[in-house]
Amino acid sequence: EPEVTQTPSHQVTQMGQEVILRCVPISNHLYFYWYRQILGQKVEFLVSFYNNEISEKSEIFDDQFSVERPDGSNFTLKIRSTKLEDSAMYFCASSEERPNSPLHFGNGTRLTVT
Amino acid sequence: DQQVKQNSPSLSVQEGRISILNCDYTNSMFDYFLWYKKYPAEGPTFLISISSIKDKNEDGRFTVFLNKSAKHLSLHIVPSQPGDSAVYFCAAWGMEYGNKLVFGAGTILRVKS
Repeated sequence: EPEVTQTPSHQVTQMGQEVILRCVPISNHLYFYWYRQILGQKVEFLVSFYNNEISEKSEIFDDQFSVERPDGSNFTLKIRSTKLEDSAMYFCASSEERPNSPLHFGNGTRLTVT
Repeated sequence: DQQVKQNSPSLSVQEGRISILNCDYTNSMFDYFLWYKKYPAEGPTFLISISSIKDKNEDGRFTVFLNKSAKHLSLHIVPSQPGDSAVYFCAAWGMEYGNKLVFGAGTILRVKS
């Protein structure tokens, strides 16, 4: 069964550094998302992406965050200058149509900012 | 902003019995509700969904009930199995609310053998 893959599984970085989290969504999916889960808290929406542009973003997704689909397969989340509070599990997801079609999640990247 | 609430952080059930996981929501604009299951070190996995125009949806051992007047839904697992032990997230989506799922905080289910 097709799946969403994320790399790396764990990223450790120093505060102020830039990180890029990578995702390969399911190939025939049209909508792409990033969510995050801070330890012990709920899964939070960051951004949705459709037709090569952001369709919606949350308050969390400020100027330090950006997303890109540089080619036909990869979908990346960049954090320009990481803060301690960015430490979390970051999940990429994709869906065929609207989110009432189930989102398929990757296994996540654990980002640790020291 | 707790539009989707799962008030029970954890639930422990004996194998073979029924597990009932509850979820409340505040936004009457939600059109679809979904349940996801999450094992440690994995992403959430879709389990079952229900449209706001229905009050019940069943898939094997899993049944979701929706009470729109109470803004409440529940997931029933029967019979519960040890492999069902995971975190269960309730999520909601509404066309008027935007292109995103809103998740509850999750309930840890432990099924004891």
